[in-house]
Amino acid sequence: AQTVTQSQPEMSVQEAETVTLSCTYDTSESDYYLFWYKQPPSRQMILVIRQEAYKQQNATENRFSVNFQKAAKSFSLKISDSQLGDAAMYFCAYRSAKGNYQLIWGAGTKLIIKP
Amino acid sequence: DAMVIQNPRYQVTQFGKPVTLSCSQTLNHNVMYWYQQKSSQAPKLLFHYYDKDFNNEADTPDNFQSRRPNTSFCFLDIRSPGLGDAAMYLCATSRDTDQPQHFGDGTRLSIL
Repeated sequence: AQTVTQSQPEMSVQEAETVTLSCTYDTSESDYYLFWYKQPPSRQMILVIRQEAYKQQNATENRFSVNFQKAAKSFSLKISDSQLGDAAMYFCAYRSAKGNYQLIWGAGTKLIIKP
Repeated sequence: DAMVIQNPRYQVTQFGKPVTLSCSQTLNHNVMYWYQQKSSQAPKLLFHYYDKDFNNEADTPDNFQSRRPNTSFCFLDIRSPGLGDAAMYLCATSRDTDQPQHFGDGTRLSIL
């Protein structure tokens, strides 16, 4: 069975600085998708970034980028120029590319932005 | 602009009193999901509908039921809520099961 591990329950960063959230996963599959979701307090869960396992190039969305290391089964999220609005729970999730399409979630990392 | 709408945002019910949470979507997506999320935890999938086909997760309690009368609406029924059912309930949709999920704002359920 696949598992997703986020080893940092909480992270804090100074506004305008860069922070990296870690995520590791375990799978025997070769084809899958990885996601980072953001959930601000009392607000909607939003997809931040998505990575297809067959792509070697790291996904990027504006200030958000990932470091995808397939062999190491690592999928970290880098947030550059942190803003107060980035404060949220961040969840890493895995989904198989075939068969069971259920999202496998990490436990989440709470990101605090210090002004 | 809201594409996945959950009502109400906050629901309070009494121990053992049936409660229904609703979700509607304007995306015309085939798949609708219900998740339970407890404080500071990841969402836990309860079940999902692919069109009219209902898919229950193996560990979802029998106390939880769902209805999808049409493409746009999906309901979560909790027949006899216990204190342990107090949580945020998230609805999500996707065009297909291999497509990204879009979430609503959630309904926070409290049990008195």
